Amino acid sequence: EAGVAQSPRYKIIEKRQSVAFWCNPISGHATLYWYQQILGQGPKLLIQFQNNGVVDDSQLPKDRFSAERLKGVDSTLKIQPAKLEDSAVYLCASSLGAGLRGYTFGSGTRLTVV
Amino acid sequence: DAKTTQPTSMDCAEGRAANLPCNHSTISGNEYVYWYRQIHSQGPQYIIHGLKNNETNEMASLIITEDRKSSTLILPHATLRDTAVYYCIVRVWGGSQGNLIFGKGTKLSVKP
Repeated sequence: EAGVAQSPRYKIIEKRQSVAFWCNPISGHATLYWYQQILGQGPKLLIQFQNNGVVDDSQLPKDRFSAERLKGVDSTLKIQPAKLEDSAVYLCASSLGAGLRGYTFGSGTRLTVV
Repeated sequence: DAKTTQPTSMDCAEGRAANLPCNHSTISGNEYVYWYRQIHSQGPQYIIHGLKNNETNEMASLIITEDRKSSTLILPHATLRDTAVYYCIVRVWGGSQGNLIFGKGTKLSVKP
């Protein structure tokens, strides 16, 4: 089966600019997750969707981050305005249901804010 | 916060078994032990999970102590491609509270 697709692979922006990341999950996976991974740390969950509804966004900095999953398939994560500390890899993952037999992760988008 | 403790790094000779330990002394009865790994520049990859019995699949074996306070992931014949960061995670079975919470993991280096 095709994996989780993410784009772009890399992005460099200046602070205070905006940026958007796109994710296409595995077909049929109802649950979609966005994680942020800062260099040297493990991934941190930002938001979880079940179909097109938000299940958990408690770790999402809502003053600057937003995410949507229209039609319950693709998802977009946006940062506006970006700060230097947002430099990280943004990982998208999907799973059947609660992912009790594992999540499938994409390769991520590496964001550098200068 | 992650509920597991793992060594920061480990080395293993190619072809030998790699045994990666994990402490989870505060694990609850309804929490499973999951292992993921992350190869450089890739997203994490699911390896295996278990509750209290030992588990084996095509990638690895998982040994959980009887009191469930620790576990060991075993890669029986490590190859250079197994060089990665290995994450041990405990999570509740079911519901949003079962989200994966990653720690810093163990960086395994397989050497020729």
